[in-house]
Amino acid sequence: EAGVTQSPTHLIKTRGQQATLRCSPISGHTSVYWYQQALGLGLQFLLWYDEGEERNRGNFPPRFSGRQFPNYSSELNVNALELEDSALYLCASSSAPGLAGVNEQFFGPGTRLTVL
Amino acid sequence: AQSVAQPEDQVNVAEGNPLTVKCTYSVSGNPYLFWYVQYPNRGLQFLLKYITGDNLVKGSYGFEAEFNKSQTSFHLKKPSALVSDSALYFCAVRDRGGANNLFFGTGTRLTVIP
Repeated sequence: EAGVTQSPTHLIKTRGQQATLRCSPISGHTSVYWYQQALGLGLQFLLWYDEGEERNRGNFPPRFSGRQFPNYSSELNVNALELEDSALYLCASSSAPGLAGVNEQFFGPGTRLTVL
Repeated sequence: AQSVAQPEDQVNVAEGNPLTVKCTYSVSGNPYLFWYVQYPNRGLQFLLKYITGDNLVKGSYGFEAEFNKSQTSFHLKKPSALVSDSALYFCAVRDRGGANNLFFGTGTRLTVIP
């Protein structure tokens, strides 16, 4: 079974540009999560999508946005890039919680975004 | 508000010795707790989770963690460290009544010395 995939692996942009990052979840998973891993800051939650809807949002400005497609894949868009947006962006997916109440999230390898 | 604290940025342990990576949490209700590991240039890999029941949870690669409600801790342990265990370890928490996203600690870098 294929894991979570993300593209591109690396992305280099300049300040003010827009970046689009893509994520394909594990087959059968309906939830997709985006996290930012900036140097020294650990993982910060960005966005959670489930069944095509945005379910929760972290403490990030509106220029961070995204969407989930009918096939459950997802895009993260970052507008008006700033230098501090340079980070590893991780996507995770999970299945519906079911009786267990919660299922673990499976992470992709990440997209390394560098803003110059 | 939910938060996780990993008080040690770096833990060094000799190969074959027991290891402990510390984690304390804060949630408004009862927690779901997780440990993940990140190897260089890789995404996070799931190690174990605490949902309910037995306070001692066993996970992948011989790791285990003990949930201590009174101390709000969820320390990761392994009886005998391997050099291959060297990696970045993240503790994460989710409030049972909250949204599905996880709150992560800042990570602890474990180095196992041969």
